[in-house]
Amino acid sequence: EVQLVQSGAEVKKPGESLKISCKGSGYSFTSYWIGWVRQMPGKGLEWMGIIYPGDSDTRYSPSFQGQVTISADKSISTAYLQWSSLKASDTAMYYCARLIGGATNAFDYWGQGTLVTVSS
Amino acid sequence: EIVMTQSPATLSVSPGERATLSCRASQSVSSNLAWYQQKPGQAPRLLIYGASTRATGIPARFSGSGSGTEFTLTISSLQSEDFAVYYCQQYNNWPPTWTFGQGTKVEIK
Repeated sequence: EVQLVQSGAEVKKPGESLKISCKGSGYSFTSYWIGWVRQMPGKGLEWMGIIYPGDSDTRYSPSFQGQVTISADKSISTAYLQWSSLKASDTAMYYCARLIGGATNAFDYWGQGTLVTVSS
Repeated sequence: EIVMTQSPATLSVSPGERATLSCRASQSVSSNLAWYQQKPGQAPRLLIYGASTRATGIPARFSGSGSGTEFTLTISSLQSEDFAVYYCQQYNNWPPTWTFGQGTKVEIK
């Protein structure tokens, strides 16, 4: 069974750093792109970026380039999303999702989400 | 940047009725269009990809159509579990980007 399991909810202060994780299982982790999607409170879905764990090839949405860093450790089948200096506006639910791949560019399996709250 | 516009923002439908949701792209995305369902407190769930292919385990009452800039998701006979928010999502080849529409909320009439 394909599963993406994300790390737990975080409460941080502005200016702090954070790294959240997404662990894949039940499939070949290195063979599928993993994307990150933000959902701010009461709002829609925003694609942030995507990584191919096989070679760490990473692409960012222009809206998030320079704001976050996406990485992966294929030895433990885990992708990461990190911030060096959080802002209150980073408060959101963050999802990781697996890209089907090939000619199909949709996200077929999703993590349960990690809620990040940034507040002083 | 390709912009995805969904309409209507909210759709009020009675159980058993048909629901038709629209998604328009600001430029052609060919058939690189997916639909997702999201219920409160849950992660999105893939319904349709390639504009018209149902994802694994998705009931036949869900169907997608369209290509280019105009797409439709049809739910033929709404069940109680179908009341949710629906998002369309496009993929652009270069630069590679994925863009979601703002969502359509399907509520009980």
